[in-house]
Amino acid sequence: KNEVEQSPQNLTAQEGEFITINCSYSVGISALHWLQQHPGGGIVSLFMLSSGKKKHGRLIATINIQEKHSSLHITASHPRDSAVYICAVGLIQGAQKLVFGQGTRLTINP
Amino acid sequence: ETGVTQTPRHLVMGMTNKKSLKCEQHLGHNAMYWYKQSAKKPLELMFVYSLEERVENNSVPSRFSPECPNSSHLFLHLHTLQPEDSALYLCASSQDLRDEQFFGPGTRLTVL
Repeated sequence: KNEVEQSPQNLTAQEGEFITINCSYSVGISALHWLQQHPGGGIVSLFMLSSGKKKHGRLIATINIQEKHSSLHITASHPRDSAVYICAVGLIQGAQKLVFGQGTRLTINP
Repeated sequence: ETGVTQTPRHLVMGMTNKKSLKCEQHLGHNAMYWYKQSAKKPLELMFVYSLEERVENNSVPSRFSPECPNSSHLFLHLHTLQPEDSALYLCASSQDLRDEQFFGPGTRLTVL
């Protein structure tokens, strides 16, 4: 079992729908990261959080430390949101090391 | 643009070749990272440098040799690679260890 598990692995939705991607982890962490990877490979950091909730535009990330769970929400989804979304955790031990989930491939159809 | 550049963007090499990947960050960061992304596998950390000192070597085969001559540049020297080393190699940097990381566009490597 991976230390970081994401669900779903693939998600297809219509433009305008509310999207939720989940991330569960099994280790002690210093922080959790949400990343976005577009076709071609480039990765953009969306959020880094260690508690509570953060919001940036149409994106919201939440984390529950007790339950070892985080969610990434996209409101009013758009085809340009189509990408792979990756959850990664920074370990408490050797916290410069990020451990990555397998990613969620999101496709938003117009 | 994230402020992290990588060259080349694509590389095809034979198993006997020697090549190098280059990463440069224009953000004034102190930490730099090499990651490997193979098809259908999660990203894997390879090496971490902080203030030009290697602080993490994640059990990477010796055919991959990193070099960090200064805090803005990071190289990955490749020699006698195997076809299973074909992957996307990503560089990242952060202000300090544990900070948010900024990724380069990656080098897609194919080993024949």
